[in-house]
Amino acid sequence: SAVISQKPSRDICQRGTSLTIQCQVDSQVTMMFWYRQQPGQSLTLIATANQGSEATYESGFVIDKFPISRPNLTFSTLTVSNMSPEDSSIYLCSVIVGTGWGETQYFGPGTRLLVL
Amino acid sequence: ILNVEQSPQSLHVQEGDSTNFTCSFPSSNFYALHWYRWETAKSPEALFVMTLNGDEKKKGRISATLNTKEGYSYLYIKGSQPEDSATYLCAFTGTASKLTFGTGTRLQVTL
Repeated sequence: SAVISQKPSRDICQRGTSLTIQCQVDSQVTMMFWYRQQPGQSLTLIATANQGSEATYESGFVIDKFPISRPNLTFSTLTVSNMSPEDSSIYLCSVIVGTGWGETQYFGPGTRLLVL
Repeated sequence: ILNVEQSPQSLHVQEGDSTNFTCSFPSSNFYALHWYRWETAKSPEALFVMTLNGDEKKKGRISATLNTKEGYSYLYIKGSQPEDSATYLCAFTGTASKLTFGTGTRLQVTL
């Protein structure tokens, strides 16, 4: 299993500003991801955070808007840039302990973001 | 685009009632089906990972079944308790693909 912490747990931000969310895992993991859940929507994968290289983004998400860093196997950051009210969501970090999509995926507690 | 649907969207039951939810998913290229429980302000908690058609898994009062040929899974809660109140999410993964989540079933159990 894995224990994941996120900072901040919640924030209220003004439009046009940026917020960086941190994710810390208690063990080294290969596969690390960032999701968001907009109000009334399903959890949606933003990107896979790759250690030592650029993140792999899903369709509809771009690096300029959601830059991701992953300096080592236990830590990653997601920045939500130039925020608008549509970015109000819960952002979650998750990991797979193992190597495949059939393995259990563990999630952090989420960062609740409100953009005014 | 993969479609994962959950029903009902929300459910309100009395303590002691048994209940069940449905998750439907594409029946082709199936790899695994995941169930999660997500309580407010907490991390989504993994309940089950199911991979075989006909699979049945149990964890205390919660159990799940899987039918990969017709593309559905049921989650059952026996004798619901207030602490079962949460959103229950299912997620489908096809062969070598990411998890695709449903929108969840929000369960509220009252005394």
